[in-house]
Amino acid sequence: EAGVAQSPRYKIIEKRQSVAFWCNPISGHATLYWYQQILGQGPKLLIQFQNNGVVDDSQLPKDRFSAERLKGVDSTLKIQPAKLEDSAVYLCASSYGQLNTEAFFGQGTRLTVV
Amino acid sequence: AQSVTQPDIHITVSEGASLELRCNYSYGATPYLFWYVQSPGQGLQLLLKYFSGDTLVQGIKGFEAEFKRSQSSFNLRKPSVHWSDAAEYFCAVVILSGAGSYQLTFGKGTKLSVIP
Repeated sequence: EAGVAQSPRYKIIEKRQSVAFWCNPISGHATLYWYQQILGQGPKLLIQFQNNGVVDDSQLPKDRFSAERLKGVDSTLKIQPAKLEDSAVYLCASSYGQLNTEAFFGQGTRLTVV
Repeated sequence: AQSVTQPDIHITVSEGASLELRCNYSYGATPYLFWYVQSPGQGLQLLLKYFSGDTLVQGIKGFEAEFKRSQSSFNLRKPSVHWSDAAEYFCAVVILSGAGSYQLTFGKGTKLSVIP
């Protein structure tokens, strides 16, 4: 079974530039998550999709972050414009359902904003 | 507020010694609990999970965890640590968010160092 695929693995951009991350979840997984992990901290949920609908984006900084999951499969997370404090690892995860199922994580995208 | 607490930021043990990593949660309902491990530059890998039933759960790589409702704890244990266990460990709990969705929420993590 293929795992959660993310790209790119690394990205370095200047502040005020834009950047996009891509995630392809495990086939058949309805729930998709984007997490932000700042160095030394636990992952923080940014947005959660159920199929192609958003179920929770309460912690997404909507003035600069956006995400979509077209057709309920792969997803894109965008930051525009980036700030220095956005430097982090962005993790994508997927699960079969929301509640009593395991979430599988991709390797993440390490973003450095200079 | 619903939360997950890992009291120890960094733990160092000798290879072959036993290990216990602490996790406490604050959640009114029956929790769904997880332990994940993250090696440098890698994503998160599930070690074990508790949904219901036997409160002592076995996981991969020789890890186990015990759910204690009275103490709101879900501590991770291993009887004999190997050098390859050096990594960061995250406790997580599924909570019902204010938006009405079930959200996987993580603690801040415990970094484990192993002395040869």
